[in-house]
Amino acid sequence: DQQVKQNSPSLSVQEGRISILNCDYTNSMFDYFLWYKKYPAEGPTFLISISSIKDKNEDGRFTVFLNKSAKHLSLHIVPSQPGDSAVYFCAASDSGNTPLVFGKGTRLSVIA
Amino acid sequence: DTAVSQTPKYLVTQMGNDKSIKCEQNLGHDTMYWYKQDSKKFLKIMFSYNNKELIINETVPNRFSPKSPDKAHLNLHINSLELGDSAVYFCASRSNTYEQYFGPGTRLTVT
Repeated sequence: DQQVKQNSPSLSVQEGRISILNCDYTNSMFDYFLWYKKYPAEGPTFLISISSIKDKNEDGRFTVFLNKSAKHLSLHIVPSQPGDSAVYFCAASDSGNTPLVFGKGTRLSVIA
Repeated sequence: DTAVSQTPKYLVTQMGNDKSIKCEQNLGHDTMYWYKQDSKKFLKIMFSYNNKELIINETVPNRFSPKSPDKAHLNLHINSLELGDSAVYFCASRSNTYEQYFGPGTRLTVT
C-alpha cells in the first residue's frame, strides 16, 4: 500500500528547460512534504519542503507546488542543469515529527 | 565536516553471521532513524529514536536491534543474517524544523 507515489520512474530533460517531477499521496493526514535528491552511492540530500498551510515554496531554481485537494505535489527545476541529474524522492510526514514515507523516486537525466 | 556518518560503507558477510552498523551525527539533533532501501528502491522506516529512547519500531524482525549509547549515536546490530537482509541501510537525524539528514548509507550484502 503505497501512500506516496511517484508514477514516473524516469524523466529526461534538455539543459536549460524546465524539469517537472510529480508526486501523489493518499493519506490525508500528511501535512509536511519534502523533496530529496540522491546521487549513486550517497544518502538522500534534503532539497526543499512545504507544509500544508502553503501551496508554493521557492528556493532558487527549485519550486515545490502543493495541491491539497488533489493530494498532489510537484517539484519544478528551472533552468535544469546537468548536475541536477539524480534520483528525486518525494516524502511526506504527519505533523513533521513522524518518520518520512517515501515515494519510489524518479530518475532525472538532464541532457547537455 | 560530515553531518551524519555511517560505518562501514560496504559490508559483505555470510548467512548466519552477526554484524553491526554504526551511525553518528554531529548536528545536535534529538531524533535519529534507521531506514532500509530494498531491491525495489523503496526507502522504509525501521526504527526511530528520540533522546536515546525507542519511539517507533516498525515491523522489523527482532534479529534487528538498535542501540543508542547517547543521542549522537544510533547503531544497528543484526543477528543471524539472512539473504533477504541484503539492502542499503540509511541512518538519518531530524532537525527541529523537521528536515531529515541522511548518512551515506551502508550497502549490506549477505551471501
